[in-house]
Amino acid sequence: GEDVEQSLFLSVREGDSSVINCTYTDSSSTYLYWYKQEPGAGLQLLTYIFSNMDMKQDQRLTVLLNKKDKHLSLRIADTQTGDSAIYFCAERTGGYNKLIFGAGTRLAVHP
Amino acid sequence: DAGVIQSPRHEVTEMGQEVTLRCKPISGHNSLFWYRQTMMRGLELLIYFNNNVPIDDSGMPEDRFSAKMPNASFSTLKIQPSEPRDSAVYFCASSLGGTGEHEQYFGPGTRLTVT
Repeated sequence: GEDVEQSLFLSVREGDSSVINCTYTDSSSTYLYWYKQEPGAGLQLLTYIFSNMDMKQDQRLTVLLNKKDKHLSLRIADTQTGDSAIYFCAERTGGYNKLIFGAGTRLAVHP
Repeated sequence: DAGVIQSPRHEVTEMGQEVTLRCKPISGHNSLFWYRQTMMRGLELLIYFNNNVPIDDSGMPEDRFSAKMPNASFSTLKIQPSEPRDSAVYFCASSLGGTGEHEQYFGPGTRLTVT
């Protein structure tokens, strides 16, 4: 079945890199996404990667995709306190843009 | 564009009462999604529509929950009767359907508390 798993919590020091990992099960997923949720708000798209790509870089964000292992990661370089939030991994499955979300990783950035 | 609009932002009601949550998707989007978020269960997809037609309601927890989309600019999620375990944040999201990486745009959510 469809399932997305990610660790629940990550704590990093300001200025360090953060790496958030995710595994998914649907090998036919066409797109994989990272969404960010700040307190009291809805989810916002951070970045996405097409399934035929291995890597995508967008400013401080780097997404790595290992399709063989069904593993996705998000690296945030030079992590800032403003990056503190919950990060959701999601896979697009089937038609109609249905997304399956992981449980979310809470990133805490400390000085 | 104002983004996805949800109302009310907060709802407190007593067990047994009917609750109606409302959503206005982004103009031009043809897919609409209802999610529920709790600490215990995370983010759950309840139901989604394409061109106002319900496509998959397998995530709706039970018959107390119903959703409608009478036109392209409005959807409701109704809980009748409500129970304390329905307390959660309910999100509506909309997107373009079809192929492509189309982003789902989320509303700010409705925080429901059932006492």
